[in-house]
Amino acid sequence: QVQLVESGGGLVKPGGSLRLSCAASGFSFSDYYFTWIRQAPGKGLEWVSYILSSGSTIFYADSVKGRFTISRDNAKNSLYLQMNSLRAEDTAVYYCARVPCTRTGCSFYMDVWGKGTTVTVSS
Amino acid sequence: QSALTQPASVSGSPGQSITISCTGTTSDIGSYNYVSWYQQHPGKAPKLMIYDVSRRPSGVSNRFSGSKSGNTASLTISGLQAEDEANYYCSSYTSNSSWVFGGGTMLAVL
Repeated sequence: QVQLVESGGGLVKPGGSLRLSCAASGFSFSDYYFTWIRQAPGKGLEWVSYILSSGSTIFYADSVKGRFTISRDNAKNSLYLQMNSLRAEDTAVYYCARVPCTRTGCSFYMDVWGKGTTVTVSS
Repeated sequence: QSALTQPASVSGSPGQSITISCTGTTSDIGSYNYVSWYQQHPGKAPKLMIYDVSRRPSGVSNRFSGSKSGNTASLTISGLQAEDEANYYCSSYTSNSSWVFGGGTMLAVL
């Protein structure tokens, strides 16, 4: 069964740090690209970051650039998001999502999503 | 990258058809056929409904269809059913190697 499970969310003070994890199962993790997407309370979806299969190519939204770091461990079938210098506006549910890939290349949409992990930044 | 523009809400009666629009720019929808649509029920994760403008993933009802003209994409749901009531988000890949989402449209099935 194809599955993504996020963990690591919680309550953190402004300026603090948190590391989110996303455990994948049911498919060949190393063959796919992954994204982090967040949703503030009562708001829409916001793309955060994107990492290619080898981990060597990474992109970030301007709102998190320089503060967040995406990474992956293909041996552990896991995706990570290190979040530093957290602000109140980073409060959201964070989803990891898979970008489908085939032998001919990768796509530009997210076909599998985790259930999300909640991050609250508050003093 | 500014968010794509969607109507805040739409409504329809069971059996009717509705269309949700999603307007972007020449840097996203207008330049790529990489528009996708996601359905999200309250408290749940988003679910992929349409990708690459008009393609349906396996398991998604053929009542859902997508199209694009210029900088505007559209999602049409025909034969509305009660379970279609949810929030719908459009998304597009962009020229900045990123994704942009719409603000979301709440669909009410009256």
